Amino acid sequence: DARVTQTPRHKVTEMGQEVTMRCQPILGHNTVFWYRQTMMQGLELLAYFRNRAPLDDSGMPKDRFSAEMPDATLATLKIQPSEPRDSAVYFCASGSGQQGADTQYFGPGTRLTVL
Amino acid sequence: AQSVTQPDIHITVSEGASLELRCNYSYGATPYLFWYVQSPGQGLQLLLKYFSGDTLVQGIKGFEAEFKRSQSSFNLRKPSVHWSDAAEYFCAVAPGGGNKLTFGTGTQLKVEL
Repeated sequence: DARVTQTPRHKVTEMGQEVTMRCQPILGHNTVFWYRQTMMQGLELLAYFRNRAPLDDSGMPKDRFSAEMPDATLATLKIQPSEPRDSAVYFCASGSGQQGADTQYFGPGTRLTVL
Repeated sequence: AQSVTQPDIHITVSEGASLELRCNYSYGATPYLFWYVQSPGQGLQLLLKYFSGDTLVQGIKGFEAEFKRSQSSFNLRKPSVHWSDAAEYFCAVAPGGGNKLTFGTGTQLKVEL
């Protein structure tokens, strides 16, 4: 049963520290999405990639957030420096790249707490 | 820009009762529409999706949804709810041909035994 995996599942850190979240998309999927979920804002798309190239990162604060795909099996989301307002659950999702009707398969999320 | 409204934040139903969760969207053309379910501590799972054709869409776990263009709605239904259906349900919209999903705020479903 192919699944999106995310590590770590939980992360507690102090303000100012660097945080790196990792995602392994489903093998063969060529689109990867990063979402953030908070009580106040709900689910927000931060960035997405197709064939490892960033297509849209307009939802991501540029000054502290960065997203990359070093290879087809790994996507990373980095926050440097982290702030308490970054506390949220971060989800990665992958898809086969089919236009429009593409199903996005979500990972279990990384719950980030910034103290 | 597209938007999605889920007017019900919480809904409680008895096990075995029917269920309807409301979703209204705002988009200039025919959107692609999705319903996802999120169990506590889990990621989102796709229940069903609509992008063209028959306006009544069947999904997993006995769910269905009906696209009504005139009402800009895509309501989710289930004839008989099971206790395991308790979760949060999200409606989402993507512009036709695109992959960017905009999610609604979610409806939390509680099932009373």
